[in-house]
Order: sequence, then structure tokens, then C-alpha cells
Amino acid sequence: GAVVSQHPSWVICKSGTSVKIECRSLDFQATTMFWYRQFPKKSLMLMATSNEGSKATYEQGVEKDKFLINHASLTLSTLTVTSAHPEDSSFYICSATDRFLTSGANVLTFGAGSRLTVL
Amino acid sequence: GQQLNQSPQSMFIQEGEDVSMNCTSSSIFNTWLWYKQEPGEGPVLLIALYKAGELTSNGRLTAQFGITRKDSFLNISASIPSDVGIYFCGGATNKLIFGTGTLLAVQP
Repeated sequence: GAVVSQHPSWVICKSGTSVKIECRSLDFQATTMFWYRQFPKKSLMLMATSNEGSKATYEQGVEKDKFLINHASLTLSTLTVTSAHPEDSSFYICSATDRFLTSGANVLTFGAGSRLTVL
Repeated sequence: GQQLNQSPQSMFIQEGEDVSMNCTSSSIFNTWLWYKQEPGEGPVLLIALYKAGELTSNGRLTAQFGITRKDSFLNISASIPSDVGIYFCGGATNKLIFGTGTLLAVQP
């Protein structure tokens, strides 16, 4: 079945530094990737939708300059948390699909998540 | 951010009991999905529903896509300890929005 790999699985960084998280589709071409953020004991909040070769579409309230998303190939999307602060500490999860969601089979495969802790 | 209303928020049951949870939305969705998430992991798909009124089973799990396309429910029959986790519904159009989650605890 479809597999999505996320790296790193956890990262600790100092306040003010930038952190990059990678999301790879291992056995399919991901036309669309989604980035979610999850706080402890909370649900997954959609941050942005990323289509290969185009700019990401950010959800309301998500700072695009803070959370840089690049989807340069059909198998890789990256999320960079710039100038990270303690409030950016969270569980970041990506998901990918090999088809456009409006086509009917709206099944996403999720990565295992990346836990970011900013000191 | 947008979220779907999911209830109950948590359930503490005895092994063998049946479980029911549901999601409602003010928006219409093309697809309803049910996921299970365990600590430190990403969500894992349990059931996908593609048509209004559709009733689908996956082992002890049964889910239905509401006729109005604004709601869905998930039933788990004869619960077992490994059913423990957080269950999320998801409504999809051109993106997937999650429900607030239901924490399920099963006592042996």
C-alpha cells in the first residue's frame, strides 16, 4: 500500500533557529500533500495544501512566512519552521495523495509525524 | 482552523461493549473518512465513505455517510483492549478537515 515517510520523527532546536521537516511518498507520486499541526490531546489542524510545482495554499491564520512549504517534486514536500519559538512546539504531520481530492477517491496516507520541541 | 463537531469527546467502556461516535458539520462533504491515531503516530485510515447513505463495514467497524452529506457515524462492536486510541472523523472536498476526536478507553 501507499507509504508516506516523514523525517525527522523528532527534533529539538533552540529558539530562533529554523527547522526543516521532510515528507516523502515512497511508492507513489503525490500530486497533493497536506501539512497538519497537532497540539497535545487535540485534533489535527490543517495548515496548508501543497500541489507539486505550485505555491502552497495556506489555511486562515497560518503564517506563510513562518511555515515555508515547498513541493518541488512528486515525491517530496518540505515544511520549514523559520525562526522557531517555543510556541511552535507541536506535532507536525504530513499526508499525501496521488489523485486530486475532488475526483472522488479522497483517501490520504499519513506520515508518522514529526515532533518539534523548541527550547 | 476549521474542525468538525465530533462526539462523544471520550468514552470509557468495558471490553465487549459496543461503541458509537458521530461527526456533524455545517458543510457538505464529498467523502467521509474515519481514522484511528495512537500516541506518537500519524492517523491510520479505518473506513472511507464515498456516497451519501453509504454504509460500510470493516471487521467490527461499521460507518455510514449521512444522507445530508453533513454527518457520519462510526460503530465498533464487541470492543477489545486494542481498540484503545483516539478516533477522528474527516470530511473531504478538496482538502481533509478533521473532527475534534473521540478518546476511547477499553477496560479488560
